[in-house]
Amino acid sequence: DAGVTQSPTHLIKTRGQQVTLRCSPKSGHDTVSWYQQALGQGPQFIFQYYEEEERQRGNFPDRFSGHQFPNYSSELNVNALLLGDSALYLCASSLRVGGSTDTQYFGPGTRLTVL
Amino acid sequence: SQKIEQNSEALNIQEGKTATLTCNYTNYSPAYLQWYRQDPGRGPVFLLLIRENEKEKRKERLKVTFDTTLKQSLFHITASQPADSATYLCAPLSSGGYNKLIFGAGTRLAVHP
Repeated sequence: DAGVTQSPTHLIKTRGQQVTLRCSPKSGHDTVSWYQQALGQGPQFIFQYYEEEERQRGNFPDRFSGHQFPNYSSELNVNALLLGDSALYLCASSLRVGGSTDTQYFGPGTRLTVL
Repeated sequence: SQKIEQNSEALNIQEGKTATLTCNYTNYSPAYLQWYRQDPGRGPVFLLLIRENEKEKRKERLKVTFDTTLKQSLFHITASQPADSATYLCAPLSSGGYNKLIFGAGTRLAVHP
């Protein structure tokens, strides 16, 4: 049973460019959350998708957008990249029926470097 | 605003000793609190969840306490091993807001042989 997978592993972009990161949830999971983790910091919640809709959002600008597909996989898009967007981007999946205490499983992350 | 504080300094201990990590929170009344382990370059891995009505939770060599009066959780690893070296993150969780985790910055634990 595959866990959460993310692609690509690493990515280098320049300021002003756009990037798309991808996530496949753990088998059987229907909810995907995205987090940004800067070096030396804890993960910061970006947003969460369930039933192909954004259900919750953290304190991130509209440059950050996402999508969830019918197979529950998800994409994170960041437009007009800034140097400060350099971080590890983590995807986490869970099964919504499990409720607020349902365990989230994290993927290995995508390391984004903006030059 | 909600604030979560964990020991910012790395914790260095000798193998076999008990490691104790602290998580304090303010402007927050979480119904649950989760602890995660994160190794360098990897995603966090869930360890334990404790509810507000539970004072203590144990899992093998791990023990978590949750004091809603002090607004604090303590995370203990007994008989620590070098393999326990990692960053440990706490994430208080409100009853509303399904799985919208707010993490502390984490405490790096180094267990020396």
